Amino acid sequence: GDSVTQMEGPVTLSEEAFLTINCTYTATGYPSLFWYVQYPGEGLQLLLKATKADDKGSNKGFEATYRKETTSFHLEKGSVQVSDSAVYFCALTHNTNAGKSTFGDGTTLTVKP
Amino acid sequence: NAGVTQTPKFQVLKTGQSMTLQCAQDMNHNSMYWYRQDPGMGLRLIYYSASEGTTDKGEVPNGYNVSRLNKREFSLRLESAAPSQTSVYFCASSAGLAGGLEQFFGPGTRLTVL
Repeated sequence: GDSVTQMEGPVTLSEEAFLTINCTYTATGYPSLFWYVQYPGEGLQLLLKATKADDKGSNKGFEATYRKETTSFHLEKGSVQVSDSAVYFCALTHNTNAGKSTFGDGTTLTVKP
Repeated sequence: NAGVTQTPKFQVLKTGQSMTLQCAQDMNHNSMYWYRQDPGMGLRLIYYSASEGTTDKGEVPNGYNVSRLNKREFSLRLESAAPSQTSVYFCASSAGLAGGLEQFFGPGTRLTVL
């Protein structure tokens, strides 16, 4: 079956540091890939997505590129802020009407001033 | 436009009690999902509904039932709550293949079973 593996956390960085959160997946076919973010006490919300190989998703300074050859979708940001402190989830969704998703376990990011 | 709403936000039950978690979306989405989130385990799919009138089991359906009441509403029922069902429950919806596949989540229900 499908699976998503994220780098283990928690991750603690200083403000303005560079962020990478690794994500690799196992799936048949050509799923779409997503990063979701969850702030304390809230539900998940979409951060960015990529629907085919070599696509780059970007939003709010975050980027991730769909690499089919390495089955990866690593999240990066050049300069993190305290407000980026949250839990980040990598997910894949098959291109079917049901749109079921498989999520990674989440990576907790804490950014210190 | 409220998005996905869930009630209640918090609930405490005793072992053996029953309850229904309510979820509604106002985005005219076809697909709806129920997840549970436990520490260190990400999100696990309990049940989903690809369209009005259909429901299917996810990864962890035991102890739960669902009803897709109409296109807007998808409820999750615990018939006889157990401490192992203590968790945070999230409802989500998606437009499906035609709409881009991303899921929109509710704020969650924090359930404790004593």
